[in-house]
This record gives sequence, C-alpha cells and structure tokens, in this order.
Amino acid sequence: GQQVMQIPQYQHVQEGEDFTTYCNSSTTLSNIQWYKQRPGGHPVFLIQLVKSGEVKKQKRLTFQFGEAKKNSSLHITATQTTDVGTYFCAGRSNTDKLIFGTGTRLQVFP
Amino acid sequence: DGGITQSPKYLFRKEGQNVTLSCEQNLNHDAMYWYRQDPGQGLRLIYYSQIVNDFQKGDIAEGYSVSREKKESFPLTVTSAQKNPTAFYLCATSGRGLRGNQPQHFGDGTRLSIL
Repeated sequence: GQQVMQIPQYQHVQEGEDFTTYCNSSTTLSNIQWYKQRPGGHPVFLIQLVKSGEVKKQKRLTFQFGEAKKNSSLHITATQTTDVGTYFCAGRSNTDKLIFGTGTRLQVFP
Repeated sequence: DGGITQSPKYLFRKEGQNVTLSCEQNLNHDAMYWYRQDPGQGLRLIYYSQIVNDFQKGDIAEGYSVSREKKESFPLTVTSAQKNPTAFYLCATSGRGLRGNQPQHFGDGTRLSIL
C-alpha cells in the first residue's frame, strides 16, 4: 500500500541552528499537508501545498513540494525552543485518503 | 482545536472489557476520523466517516467499531478483540470543501491503557 516516510526520525539541534525534515511518498500525491504536534498535544495544521514545485513560507518555516509531487520538505531557519515538537507530513493520495508520515521529532537545546 | 471535544482524557480498560471513546464537534464539519498514535509513531487511521450514517474502515479497523448517528458525534468503541489497545487516540474532523483540499482539525485525544 501507499507509504509516506519521513527522515530523520529524530533531530537534536542547538538553538539558532537550522533544521530540515524530508517527506517521501511511494506514489504521486495530489497535495501534501504539514502538521506540528507539541509534546503531550495534538497535531495542528500548518500548511498545504498543491502545485508541483510549490514553495511557501511562514516566517522562519519554508515548505516545498517536489516537482514530481512525491516528496516534500520543511526547513526551519534559526530554530527556537518554541519549535520543539514532532512535525508530520500528510500526503493525499488519488483515492483521497490522507496518509500521515512517520514524523520527525525536533528537540532544541538552548 | 476548539470545537472538537474528546472524552475522557484518560481511560483504563480491564481484560475482556469494551470501552467507548467520545468525540463531539461543533464545527459543522462533514467528515470525522479516528486515529491511533503509538509512542514515537505516526498516526494510523482506524475509521472515518464522510457523512451521517456512513463510515469506512481505515488501515487498522480490526478490534474497533464506530457509529455516526449524528453529524456532531463519532464515538469509537475499543472492543475486547483489540489485544493491544494501549495508545493515544485522536479524533479529527474536516470540512467538505474542494475534494481532498481540507485540513484536518484534531481533538485533544484520549490516552487508553490496560489495567
């Protein structure tokens, strides 16, 4: 079945360093969404990408959708302690199901 | 997210017991979902419903049952057939909107443990 993998599984960074998580799908996606889950909390929607090659920015966060619509990335510039949490991508398949990635847990040390 | 209420927050299940997790929403969303999250893992879809009185199995439906008698409510029953029920259960909703282009909104979750 369709799978969405994320790497790395964990990332520890010093505050101020950059962070990137990568999301790869086994099949072409119609769109991709990104969510953030704080420790002990629930996932919160961040953004959605629809077009091939699309790039969107939210302050220090940059989201990219690959040209083939099979991969995506989230880059955080100059991390802060408030960025701590697990970041999930979720890809929409052609059957309209949303498949969540395995997540990348980010820890930021002050 | 405001507008989605899951209860209880913590739940303990005895051997052979069925338990029901509640999910209520006032967002007027058509679609509702149940996910299971194990420690350090992603979200796995248990059941989903796109309209009242209709629901479909997700990837890990065995040992679970649902109903959708009202638009606002989508309770999940964890039956005794589910041998490893300890997990964090998340309910989510999404609006109808353009096909497949709606974000999902999550409740605060229920943590279920075996006694």
